[in-house]
Amino acid sequence: SQQGEEDPQALSIQEGENATMNCSYKTSINNLQWYRQNSGRGLVHLILIRSNEREKHSGRLRVTLDTSKKSSSLLITASRAADTASYFCATDARERNAGGTSYGKLTFGQGTILTVHP
Amino acid sequence: EAGVTQSPTHLIKTRGQQATLRCSPISGHTSVYWYQQALGLGLQFLLWYDEGEERNRGNFPPRFSGRQFPNYSSELNVNALELEDSALYLCASSLARGRENTEAFFGQGTRLTVV
Repeated sequence: SQQGEEDPQALSIQEGENATMNCSYKTSINNLQWYRQNSGRGLVHLILIRSNEREKHSGRLRVTLDTSKKSSSLLITASRAADTASYFCATDARERNAGGTSYGKLTFGQGTILTVHP
Repeated sequence: EAGVTQSPTHLIKTRGQQATLRCSPISGHTSVYWYQQALGLGLQFLLWYDEGEERNRGNFPPRFSGRQFPNYSSELNVNALELEDSALYLCASSLARGRENTEAFFGQGTRLTVV
């Protein structure tokens, strides 16, 4: 099952507007990462926020993390047509095997399809 | 510096055949991850290799297997292909598992079509 659930599933806005996407997850995490995917090809890493961080910025991107609510949001300000893509959140939740060693893996949400109209 | 490279870009196989997908990680990365992205199903975790060993496996049947070579490149093998195996297969690499909070970088994927 998917760790992250994203909301909304699709978002359509005009160029210049802000876009906000939300992600909820279920277990404790080490970090949460946001990715962008254009036209069903490879994923581009956008930003990583650690579990002890509450907010992070990168250019026009702003990510918040609320571990008490197990949720994160990605805000894209002053959107451009080139921002049209699918956006995914991914959680790095440490798992422990029988030997007690922790193993991390990224678990992705279903994604939000963002369309920015020129 | 080269990113994660995957080959082939596209692969067409018939049902029952075997498919082999290849991935070369970013130089210095020892962890390789495989994901399946079928239409409408998001990214499903398949396999994670680190230092040549399988470290974690997703909920896929045994006919999905792979390996990691001494140079950290990786192969994903899918035996007895079924129509529902048609998907985009994405490979990602990251620094060693002992380093927490490391980003994973993805290749462009292999589009597998089973007919």
